[in-house]
This record gives sequence, C-alpha cells and structure tokens, in this order.
Amino acid sequence: GAVVSQHPSRVICKSGTSVKIECRSLDFQATTMFWYRQFPKQSLMLMATSNEGSKATYEQGVEKDKFLINHASLTLSTLTVTSAHPEDSSFYICSAGGGPYNSPLHFGNGTRLTVT
Amino acid sequence: SQKIEQNSEALNIQEGKTATLTCNYTNYSPAYLQWYRQDPGRGPVFLLLIRENEKEKRKERLKVTFDTTLKQSLFHITASQPADSATYLCALEESGGSYIPTFGRGTSLIVHP
Repeated sequence: GAVVSQHPSRVICKSGTSVKIECRSLDFQATTMFWYRQFPKQSLMLMATSNEGSKATYEQGVEKDKFLINHASLTLSTLTVTSAHPEDSSFYICSAGGGPYNSPLHFGNGTRLTVT
Repeated sequence: SQKIEQNSEALNIQEGKTATLTCNYTNYSPAYLQWYRQDPGRGPVFLLLIRENEKEKRKERLKVTFDTTLKQSLFHITASQPADSATYLCALEESGGSYIPTFGRGTSLIVHP
C-alpha cells in the first residue's frame, strides 16, 4: 500500500528558531500533499495544500510566511515553521492521496513539535 | 455553519461486544464519507469509504452505514478486541468540492479485556 514517511517524529526547539519537517511518499508520486495541525482531542485542521512545482495553497488564518511549504519533487514536501513560538507547539501531520477518484488519504506518522 | 459531530466522550465496551460509533453532520451534501483510525501519537489510517448512494459497506469486522436523510454515519466493529482501542475519525467531502475531506474530532474507543 501507499506509504508516507514523515521526519522527524519529535522535535524540541527554542523560541525564535526555525524547524523543518519532511514528508515523503515512498512508493508513489504525489503531485499534491496536505499539511495538517492537530491539538489534543481536536480534529485535524488543514493548514495548506502543497502542490508540486507551484505555490502552496493556504487555508484561511494560516500565515504563509510563518509556515513555509516547499514541494520541489513528486515525492517530497517540506514544512518549515519559522521563528517558532510556544503557541506553535502542536502535532503536525502530512498526507498524500485523495483526489477526484475518492482515493483515501495516506498519512505520515506526524511530528510532535515543542517550542520552549 | 457546517459541522461534523462525533461523540467527544470515550466509548467503553467489553471485549467481544459490538462497538458503534456515530458521525453526524449538518449543512453538508457529502459525496462520500470516510472512516479513519488514529492511535496516540500517530497519523490516521484509512479504514473504509462509503459513497452517498451506498447504504452500507463492510470490511472484515467493520461495517459502515450512511443515511443521507438522517445525515448520519454509523461505524460498527463486531467482536471487538482490546487492539481495536483507538480514536476513530470520520471525514466527509462535499459534492462538487475540492476533493479534500474535512475531519471530525474523533471518538475514542476503549475495549476492555
């Protein structure tokens, strides 16, 4: 089956620094990937849609300059949290799949970000 | 406003019983509805998809029903096992939408041995 790998699984950083999270589709090509944020006992909140070779599409309320997304190849999307603050601490999850043929989403295992 | 509602309280059941989880929605015209399983600290895993013109879908011990009149989907796990303990998320995508499903907050299932 389709496998999405996300790295790192956990990261702790100091306030003001930047953190990069990688999302790879291991056995399929993904022209589109999605980045979600999840707070404890809350639903997955879509942050942005990452499009290979073009700019990401951000959801309302998500700062594109703070959450930089790069999708330079068909198997890799990265999310960089810039100038991180404690309120950015959360669980970030990427996914690939979906689309008009009702394909399910395949998720990475998430990244637990803690900003101190 | 659009809402997807899943019970926020955990469902506790005894091993061997059937677990039934509910997903209600308002102000959506879903093209399809999906169910995912999420374990703590992990990403969701796809389980089943049911389309708007389907009443029921089965996969091994899992069964999903979809009632567009009641605006509700039920997710059943028969002969439940402690290993079924997890959070179960429903997600739906609207007809004519962006092909990106919207997720409910999930319901935690705890199966006691």
